Amino acid sequence: QKEVEQDPGPLSVPEGAIVSLNCTYSNSAFQYFMWYRQYSRKGPELLMYTYSSGNKEDGRFTAQVDKSSKYISLFIRDSQPSDSATYLCAMSWGAGGTSYGKLTFGQGTILTVHP
Amino acid sequence: NAGVTQTPKFQVLKTGQSMTLQCAQDMNHNSMYWYRQDPGMGLRLIYYSASEGTTDKGEVPNGYNVSRLNKREFSLRLESAAPSQTSVYFCASNGGTQETQYFGPGTRLLVL
Repeated sequence: QKEVEQDPGPLSVPEGAIVSLNCTYSNSAFQYFMWYRQYSRKGPELLMYTYSSGNKEDGRFTAQVDKSSKYISLFIRDSQPSDSATYLCAMSWGAGGTSYGKLTFGQGTILTVHP
Repeated sequence: NAGVTQTPKFQVLKTGQSMTLQCAQDMNHNSMYWYRQDPGMGLRLIYYSASEGTTDKGEVPNGYNVSRLNKREFSLRLESAAPSQTSVYFCASNGGTQETQYFGPGTRLLVL
């Protein structure tokens, strides 16, 4: 069993829809949770960063972390065709430099938002 | 400020050939990483360097070597390429107290 599980999709939604992307994990030591967005043939770029449990909002994006359920989510409101990309969840257990910033990634979910 | 740069962008090798993938960052980051990305597998860590002068194995180090040349540069070497090493390779760096990484644009490698 992988430490981080993410449904690879693909997920196809109409423009304006609310998108929900999820990851589950097994390592209870994870404290730092991230979502990366990767456009086709590009490197991943950091989208959202959350420490421990709770919600974080940035424009149309909301990240949620439920450590008790070992479950994280990314919600995209009013989705746009420009949101079409692969979304990768990532997480880390260390604080500061102790984990050397090592991340464990999910497999990525391919999202297509059609006009 | 270019961030993380990688060369080459694309490379075709024959089985048994060697090559070095180059990575450089201009953000004064201490830590650097090499990943490979394969369909359905996400990003898997090959090697990392927590700071200048140190390197450590990640999840999939077999068949690779690395060199942290200085604080800016971290190279990945394939001594004898195999078709199983066909992949997209990403370099990343991390310099702060947050556990976030910044990625380069990737190198697409095809081993025939």
